[in-house]
Amino acid sequence: GAVVSQHPSRVICKSGTSVKIECRSLDFQATTMFWYRQFPKQSLMLMATSNEGSKATYEQGVEKDKFLINHASLTLSTLTVTSAHPEDSSFYICSATQGLTGNTIYFGEGSWLTVV
Amino acid sequence: RKEVEQDPGPFNVPEGATVAFNCTYSNSASQSFFWYRQDCRKEPKLLMSVYSSGNEDGRFTAQLNRASQYISLLIRDSKLSDSATYLCVVNILSSNTGKLIFGQGTTLQVKP
Repeated sequence: GAVVSQHPSRVICKSGTSVKIECRSLDFQATTMFWYRQFPKQSLMLMATSNEGSKATYEQGVEKDKFLINHASLTLSTLTVTSAHPEDSSFYICSATQGLTGNTIYFGEGSWLTVV
Repeated sequence: RKEVEQDPGPFNVPEGATVAFNCTYSNSASQSFFWYRQDCRKEPKLLMSVYSSGNEDGRFTAQLNRASQYISLLIRDSKLSDSATYLCVVNILSSNTGKLIFGQGTTLQVKP
């Protein structure tokens, strides 16, 4: 069964609204979670690294005020897409690791966001 | 230059064929290496880790060449079910945290 649960799997929202995506580690404590975005026929692009109890580290070109990440506990990280626009429509996926080397990596099932 | 580069393909092969994918990475701080498989509209799933000594798992063989910063995946006796996108993934240790960098992926289509 899944060890990282991501919710919702699909969401449609109107332009200008905000959408929250949750990523939960089910059987372990994830000190670090990662958020990726994948556009059609493209690779997964790392958006940010989320550390429990501290501010997320964003990759270059990712707007931290638009993509709010909260990692309030060792089992939950959330990504909020604020003031969503159609160009934000994408596949968002989280992953969690159990160690520094990241040799144990678990992915959530992903969330399809469509902004209309 | 992309940190992890792959030929996007698609590679169209008949069942039973042997196919090889290559990947290069640019960051010498890369620590660990993986091949992931991604089916359409799904999350990536780990296929295998890649070691310098080379490793084999059934029909799949992976190889790492650190000197050339090159990773390969060989699939023998291709099955229809092997059709997917194969992602070359590199883990880079940055600021005490590892992060995964994904290649664009190579699409494989196995035909009957």
